[in-house]
Amino acid sequence: GAGVSQSPRYKVAKRGQDVALRCDPISGHVSLFWYQQALGQGPEFLTYFQNEAQLDKSGLPSDRFFAERPEGSVSTLKIQRTQQEDSAVYLCASSLALAGVGELFFGEGSRLTVL
Amino acid sequence: AQKITQTQPGMFVQEKEAVTLDCTYDTSDQSYGLFWYKQPSSGEMIFLIYQGSYDEQNATEGRYSLNFQKARKSANLVISASQLGDSAMYFCAMREFGAAGNKLTFGGGTRVLVKP
Repeated sequence: GAGVSQSPRYKVAKRGQDVALRCDPISGHVSLFWYQQALGQGPEFLTYFQNEAQLDKSGLPSDRFFAERPEGSVSTLKIQRTQQEDSAVYLCASSLALAGVGELFFGEGSRLTVL
Repeated sequence: AQKITQTQPGMFVQEKEAVTLDCTYDTSDQSYGLFWYKQPSSGEMIFLIYQGSYDEQNATEGRYSLNFQKARKSANLVISASQLGDSAMYFCAMREFGAAGNKLTFGGGTRVLVKP
């Protein structure tokens, strides 16, 4: 498709389970971002890739969170041993530009509910 | 300190009227960009408008305009002639082009409900 695609759209996990969230950015977009959005709040930055290089992971809340983009296109956000506070919508965004002005195009998000 | 502050958690607006959504920001960078996004109930973030810190003219995109007051560090969004489809969450965001890198920092959002 033409936009950023995320899967699954909805995920229910039992506490302690591992989950993997996938992001397929717009073709040719070199920059890719992951954000976490708790209910009723603005998105919070998690991590940023430029092609396959993870240049900023300062927003990852703990070492249970891991992201990769091995071939510079599709990215996966993995959460190990999920906890209830991980419940949120995880948004992926991509941008054509390496730096500077560049509109971020967002996917519809993956809503994670941890029971 | 919050980098992006949106002081209006929610507001009602009458259809066909204009509405102004407040946004103030905090940065020491000279080069930055300010964005407004709309998030309907479907969850997708939809880009509305962009203002660069060096742009002298206020940005406009159709019914959206950005009232940029650099000295006051404010970047208010004005939606003219509101439509029922404008009901959504609206987020102000900033991208600092210095040491902070490429990430967008978002405010807490303002929920707009347009009344018929």
